Amino acid sequence: AQSVTQLDSQVPVFEEAPVELRCNYSSSVSVYLFWYVQYPNQGLQLLLKYLSGSTLVKGINGFEAEFNKSQTSFHLRKPSVHISDTAEYFCAVSDFTGGGNKLTFGTGTQLKVEL
Amino acid sequence: DAGITQSPRHKVTETGTPVTLRCHQTENHRYMYWYRQDPGHGLRLIHYSYGVKDTDKGEVSDGYSVSRSKTEDFLLTLESATSSQTSVYFCAISESGLGELFFGEGSRLTVL
Repeated sequence: AQSVTQLDSQVPVFEEAPVELRCNYSSSVSVYLFWYVQYPNQGLQLLLKYLSGSTLVKGINGFEAEFNKSQTSFHLRKPSVHISDTAEYFCAVSDFTGGGNKLTFGTGTQLKVEL
Repeated sequence: DAGITQSPRHKVTETGTPVTLRCHQTENHRYMYWYRQDPGHGLRLIHYSYGVKDTDKGEVSDGYSVSRSKTEDFLLTLESATSSQTSVYFCAISESGLGELFFGEGSRLTVL
């Protein structure tokens, strides 16, 4: 069975500083990887995805993530954060079942950007 | 934004009563999902559908049932609500079924 680990439940960072949110996964098969963002009192939005090809993927709002198969990681990075990036971020892994892919989420990382 | 609406958005009910949450989409996507979100657990899959009348269980399906009689609607039913089912429920849709999901705004359910 697949699983996702987000080791940091909260990450405080000052505005304009770089940030990295860590994600590790376990799966016995090839997977697709995703990062979602959730702003307060809203549903989740897709930030970026890795399906195949280049291991460095770019998403919305200046975020990027790197797929590292040997370390089974998919860490999210942004070189300079803004106050508006304050939100909860979820890493997710998808693998195929008979009825389509199931998406398994991590427990989330709360990013708090401070002035 | 994907056309996906959940109803009701908020509901308070008592233990033992039946509850139905509705998810309606206007995107004609094949795949639909119900997740619950709880602090410290992230999102956990309850049930999903890969076509009309085609559904399957997720990791936390006990106490829940679903139905999908037409493409646009996916219903989640709690036959006899318990306090452990107090949660925020999210519906999501996907065209590809690969993991790119569009989420609704959520339905907050409180079981007293």
